[in-house]
Amino acid sequence: GAVVSQHPSWVICKSGTSVKIECRSLDFQATTMFWYRQFPKQSLMLMATSNEGSKATYEQGVEKDKFLINHASLTLSTLTVTSAHPEDSSFYICSARANPGQASTEAFFGQGTRLTVV
Amino acid sequence: GENVEQHPSTLSVQEGDSAVIKCTYSDSASNYFPWYKQELGKRPQLIIDIRSNVGEKKDQRIAVTLNKTAKHFSLHITETQPEDSAVYFCAASITSSNYKLTFGKGTLLTVNP
Repeated sequence: GAVVSQHPSWVICKSGTSVKIECRSLDFQATTMFWYRQFPKQSLMLMATSNEGSKATYEQGVEKDKFLINHASLTLSTLTVTSAHPEDSSFYICSARANPGQASTEAFFGQGTRLTVV
Repeated sequence: GENVEQHPSTLSVQEGDSAVIKCTYSDSASNYFPWYKQELGKRPQLIIDIRSNVGEKKDQRIAVTLNKTAKHFSLHITETQPEDSAVYFCAASITSSNYKLTFGKGTLLTVNP
Protein backbone atom coordinates (compact mmCIF):
# COMPACT_ATOMS: atom_id res chain seq x y z
CA GLY A 1 0.00 0.00 0.00
CA ALA A 2 0.88 3.67 -0.11
CA VAL A 3 3.30 5.01 2.49
CA VAL A 4 2.79 7.96 4.79
CA SER A 5 5.78 8.99 6.85
CA GLN A 6 5.52 11.12 9.95
CA HIS A 7 8.40 12.82 11.71
CA PRO A 8 9.45 12.90 14.47
CA SER A 9 8.11 9.71 16.01
CA TRP A 10 8.49 11.18 19.46
CA VAL A 11 9.42 14.54 20.92
CA ILE A 12 9.81 16.00 24.38
CA CYS A 13 9.59 19.76 24.71
CA LYS A 14 9.43 22.37 27.42
CA SER A 15 6.19 24.10 28.24
CA GLY A 16 5.78 27.27 26.20
CA THR A 17 7.81 26.14 23.22
CA SER A 18 6.53 25.17 19.78
CA VAL A 19 6.84 21.81 18.06
CA LYS A 20 6.50 21.03 14.37
CA ILE A 21 5.37 17.63 13.11
CA GLU A 22 5.74 16.64 9.48
CA CYS A 23 3.55 14.29 7.49
CA ARG A 24 4.76 13.14 4.08
CA SER A 25 3.16 10.98 1.44
CA LEU A 26 6.16 9.14 0.02
CA ASP A 27 4.83 7.54 -3.14
CA PHE A 28 1.66 9.41 -3.96
CA GLN A 29 0.22 12.89 -4.05
CA ALA A 30 -2.29 13.87 -1.40
CA THR A 31 -4.41 16.96 -1.89
CA THR A 32 -6.03 16.27 1.46
CA MET A 33 -4.46 15.09 4.70
CA PHE A 34 -6.02 14.70 8.10
CA TRP A 35 -4.58 15.34 11.54
CA TYR A 36 -5.79 13.31 14.52
CA ARG A 37 -5.03 13.39 18.20
CA GLN A 38 -5.24 10.30 20.36
CA PHE A 39 -5.04 10.39 24.15
CA PRO A 40 -4.09 7.20 26.01
CA LYS A 41 -6.68 4.47 25.72
CA GLN A 42 -8.95 6.71 23.68
CA SER A 43 -10.05 6.95 20.09
CA LEU A 44 -8.66 9.05 17.27
CA MET A 45 -10.20 12.47 17.29
CA LEU A 46 -10.04 14.49 14.09
CA MET A 47 -8.43 17.86 14.66
CA ALA A 48 -8.36 19.31 11.18
CA THR A 49 -8.41 18.63 7.48
CA SER A 50 -5.34 19.89 5.67
CA ASN A 51 -5.94 21.07 2.12
CA GLU A 52 -3.08 21.63 -0.29
CA GLY A 53 -2.82 25.27 -1.27
CA SER A 54 -5.60 26.51 0.97
CA LYS A 55 -6.48 26.99 4.60
CA ALA A 56 -7.05 24.01 6.82
CA THR A 57 -10.51 23.18 8.08
CA TYR A 58 -10.58 22.78 11.85
CA GLU A 59 -13.02 20.69 13.86
CA GLN A 60 -15.14 22.34 16.49
CA GLY A 61 -13.20 23.05 19.65
CA VAL A 62 -9.76 22.92 18.03
CA GLU A 63 -7.89 26.22 18.25
CA LYS A 64 -6.52 27.11 14.83
CA ASP A 65 -4.04 29.60 16.27
CA LYS A 66 -2.60 26.95 18.55
CA PHE A 67 -2.44 24.13 16.04
CA LEU A 68 -1.03 25.64 12.88
CA ILE A 69 -1.35 23.55 9.75
CA ASN A 70 0.52 24.14 6.53
CA HIS A 71 -0.01 22.02 3.43
CA ALA A 72 2.37 23.69 1.02
CA SER A 73 2.89 20.81 -1.39
CA LEU A 74 1.07 17.69 -2.57
CA THR A 75 3.31 15.50 -0.45
CA LEU A 76 3.81 17.44 2.78
CA SER A 77 1.60 18.73 5.54
CA THR A 78 2.92 20.12 8.82
CA LEU A 79 1.27 20.57 12.19
CA THR A 80 2.84 23.06 14.58
CA VAL A 81 1.77 22.98 18.19
CA THR A 82 2.43 26.49 19.42
CA SER A 83 3.09 27.44 23.03
CA ALA A 84 2.73 23.81 24.05
CA HIS A 85 1.47 22.93 27.52
CA PRO A 86 1.40 19.62 29.38
CA GLU A 87 -2.25 19.08 28.42
CA ASP A 88 -1.15 19.03 24.76
CA SER A 89 0.81 15.86 25.45
CA SER A 90 -0.72 13.24 23.19
CA PHE A 91 -0.23 10.95 20.21
CA TYR A 92 -0.66 12.92 16.98
CA ILE A 93 -1.34 10.97 13.77
CA CYS A 94 -1.79 12.11 10.21
CA SER A 95 -3.48 10.30 7.36
CA ALA A 96 -3.84 10.75 3.64
CA ARG A 97 -5.63 9.14 0.74
CA ALA A 98 -3.85 8.32 -2.44
CA ASN A 99 -6.17 9.94 -4.95
CA PRO A 100 -9.61 11.41 -4.36
CA GLY A 101 -10.65 10.58 -7.89
CA GLN A 102 -9.96 6.88 -7.74
CA ALA A 103 -12.14 4.10 -6.45
CA SER A 104 -9.69 3.28 -3.68
CA THR A 105 -10.92 4.71 -0.44
CA GLU A 106 -8.23 3.51 1.94
CA ALA A 107 -6.69 6.12 4.20
CA PHE A 108 -3.04 5.55 5.01
CA PHE A 109 -1.75 6.62 8.39
CA GLY A 110 1.59 7.96 9.46
CA GLN A 111 3.34 6.17 12.30
CA GLY A 112 2.32 8.88 14.74
CA THR A 113 4.20 11.35 16.92
CA ARG A 114 4.27 10.98 20.68
CA LEU A 115 4.46 14.52 22.09
CA THR A 116 5.36 15.01 25.73
CA VAL A 117 5.35 18.53 27.12
CA VAL A 118 7.22 18.95 30.40
CA GLY B 1 -22.15 15.64 12.47
CA GLU B 2 -21.60 11.92 12.42
CA ASN B 3 -21.55 9.96 15.67
CA VAL B 4 -20.21 6.41 15.84
CA GLU B 5 -20.89 4.18 18.82
CA GLN B 6 -18.82 1.02 19.33
CA HIS B 7 -19.38 -1.95 21.64
CA PRO B 8 -17.99 -3.61 23.59
CA SER B 9 -15.12 -1.50 24.88
CA THR B 10 -13.25 -4.64 25.94
CA LEU B 11 -13.57 -8.22 24.72
CA SER B 12 -11.71 -11.26 25.95
CA VAL B 13 -11.95 -14.57 24.10
CA GLN B 14 -10.18 -17.90 24.07
CA GLU B 15 -7.94 -18.75 21.17
CA GLY B 16 -9.98 -20.34 18.42
CA ASP B 17 -13.24 -18.66 19.43
CA SER B 18 -14.98 -15.99 17.40
CA ALA B 19 -15.09 -12.29 18.27
CA VAL B 20 -17.78 -9.83 17.26
CA ILE B 21 -17.58 -6.06 17.56
CA LYS B 22 -20.56 -3.86 16.77
CA CYS B 23 -20.89 -0.25 15.70
CA THR B 24 -23.76 2.08 14.99
CA TYR B 25 -23.68 5.35 13.13
CA SER B 26 -26.02 8.31 13.05
CA ASP B 27 -25.64 9.94 9.64
CA SER B 28 -27.59 8.09 6.96
CA ALA B 29 -25.38 9.76 4.33
CA SER B 30 -22.35 7.77 5.50
CA ASN B 31 -21.43 5.25 2.85
CA TYR B 32 -17.96 3.95 3.67
CA PHE B 33 -17.11 1.92 6.78
CA PRO B 34 -13.54 0.81 7.46
CA TRP B 35 -12.22 -1.19 10.38
CA TYR B 36 -8.76 -0.57 11.80
CA LYS B 37 -6.49 -2.58 14.04
CA GLN B 38 -4.10 -0.65 16.24
CA GLU B 39 -1.35 -2.15 18.34
CA LEU B 40 0.03 -0.19 21.25
CA GLY B 41 1.95 2.88 20.09
CA LYS B 42 1.53 2.00 16.43
CA ARG B 43 -0.42 3.43 13.55
CA PRO B 44 -3.91 2.13 12.75
CA GLN B 45 -3.90 -0.54 10.04
CA LEU B 46 -6.88 -1.09 7.77
CA ILE B 47 -8.09 -4.68 8.07
CA ILE B 48 -11.31 -4.58 6.10
CA ASP B 49 -13.80 -2.05 4.78
CA ILE B 50 -17.26 -2.03 3.26
CA ARG B 51 -19.27 0.35 1.14
CA SER B 52 -22.94 0.99 1.61
CA ASN B 53 -23.92 -0.81 -1.57
CA VAL B 54 -22.74 -4.11 -0.10
CA GLY B 55 -24.22 -6.03 2.81
CA GLU B 56 -21.30 -8.27 3.65
CA LYS B 57 -17.64 -8.65 2.87
CA LYS B 58 -15.23 -11.37 3.87
CA ASP B 59 -11.46 -11.70 3.85
CA GLN B 60 -10.21 -15.02 5.24
CA ARG B 61 -10.96 -14.98 8.99
CA ILE B 62 -12.39 -11.47 8.97
CA ALA B 63 -15.84 -10.41 7.83
CA VAL B 64 -17.89 -7.25 8.06
CA THR B 65 -21.66 -6.94 7.79
CA LEU B 66 -23.64 -3.79 7.20
CA ASN B 67 -27.29 -3.04 7.85
CA LYS B 68 -28.05 0.32 6.27
CA THR B 69 -31.61 0.43 7.48
CA ALA B 70 -30.60 -0.01 11.09
CA LYS B 71 -27.39 1.98 10.60
CA HIS B 72 -25.15 -0.58 12.14
CA PHE B 73 -22.18 -2.65 11.04
CA SER B 74 -20.20 -5.41 12.69
CA LEU B 75 -16.77 -6.98 12.55
CA HIS B 76 -16.50 -10.73 12.87
CA ILE B 77 -13.20 -12.49 13.51
CA THR B 78 -13.25 -16.27 13.43
CA GLU B 79 -10.65 -18.71 14.75
CA THR B 80 -9.01 -15.99 16.79
CA GLN B 81 -5.29 -16.12 17.46
CA PRO B 82 -3.19 -14.38 20.13
CA GLU B 83 -1.77 -12.07 17.47
CA ASP B 84 -5.27 -10.74 16.90
CA SER B 85 -5.00 -9.05 20.29
CA ALA B 86 -5.12 -5.28 19.72
CA VAL B 87 -7.50 -2.33 19.77
CA TYR B 88 -10.01 -2.34 16.94
CA PHE B 89 -11.70 0.82 15.70
CA CYS B 90 -14.68 1.14 13.43
CA ALA B 91 -15.19 4.30 11.43
CA ALA B 92 -17.74 5.91 9.17
CA SER B 93 -17.26 8.30 6.31
CA ILE B 94 -19.09 10.09 3.55
CA THR B 95 -17.14 9.63 0.33
CA SER B 96 -18.24 12.98 -1.04
CA SER B 97 -16.73 14.84 1.91
CA ASN B 98 -13.06 13.98 1.39
CA TYR B 99 -13.61 10.70 3.21
CA LYS B 100 -13.30 12.36 6.60
CA LEU B 101 -13.39 9.50 9.11
CA THR B 102 -15.35 9.51 12.35
CA PHE B 103 -14.06 6.79 14.66
CA GLY B 104 -15.74 4.70 17.30
CA LYS B 105 -14.13 4.61 20.72
CA GLY B 106 -12.40 1.34 20.13
CA THR B 107 -12.52 -2.23 21.42
CA LEU B 108 -9.61 -3.81 23.23
CA LEU B 109 -9.60 -7.42 22.09
CA THR B 110 -7.60 -9.92 24.10
CA VAL B 111 -7.18 -13.44 22.76
CA ASN B 112 -6.07 -15.79 25.50
CA PRO B 113 -3.93 -18.76 24.45
